[in-house]
Amino acid sequence: GQQVMQIPQYQHVQEGEDFTTYCNSSTTLSNIQWYKQRPGGHPVFLIQLVKSGEVKKQKRLTFQFGEAKKNSSLHITATQTTDVGTYFCADFTGGGNKLTFGTGTQLKVEL
Amino acid sequence: AAGVIQSPRHLIKEKRETATLKCYPIPRHDTVYWYQQGPGQDPQFLISFYEKMQSDKGSIPDRFSAQQFSDYHSELNMSSLELGDSALYFCASSEERVPLYTGANVLTFGAGSRLTVL
Repeated sequence: GQQVMQIPQYQHVQEGEDFTTYCNSSTTLSNIQWYKQRPGGHPVFLIQLVKSGEVKKQKRLTFQFGEAKKNSSLHITATQTTDVGTYFCADFTGGGNKLTFGTGTQLKVEL
Repeated sequence: AAGVIQSPRHLIKEKRETATLKCYPIPRHDTVYWYQQGPGQDPQFLISFYEKMQSDKGSIPDRFSAQQFSDYHSELNMSSLELGDSALYFCASSEERVPLYTGANVLTFGAGSRLTVL
């Protein structure tokens, strides 16, 4: 089935550097959600974007939804070691109660 | 605040055995979801229940079955276990967003049950 692709798959950064992960879909998304999963942990909801071109911020995190609602991005400014984990975008494929996760981007932050 | 409770946290089984995982959703959440996550993989949707009725089905093997009970807890039953079933199994729950134009349901995940098949 169709799955939202994320790039990059992995990213290593030095603490203080910025980080961006991109989510791309071949079809128009009704909305998109972002989750973070720490190593050994469970996915935790970060944010949901609904409107075309929407931008939301959470402290150092900036989330964008593309104008065509086919892509989204998560940007972290000045990464910290607490940002380590895998970031997933996700959408409710075809409506209903089936949330499908993107392929994820694993972020490692080095001191 | 109450969270999603999963048990057991760890489970070790032999091939061809049976395993049952339990999930207790957040009170008043009307939808339960099950996911399977292999090492380094994204969570794969297995099945969901809305108000105790099966809602959507994903890549759930025929050897697996799930149900939601009258008290809203859910169980995932896995039979004829294979080595490839070794994974983290997450349960999540959500409540319906009203009005719907504010977005889709937001999932709260449990800590997961780690199944190891030897």
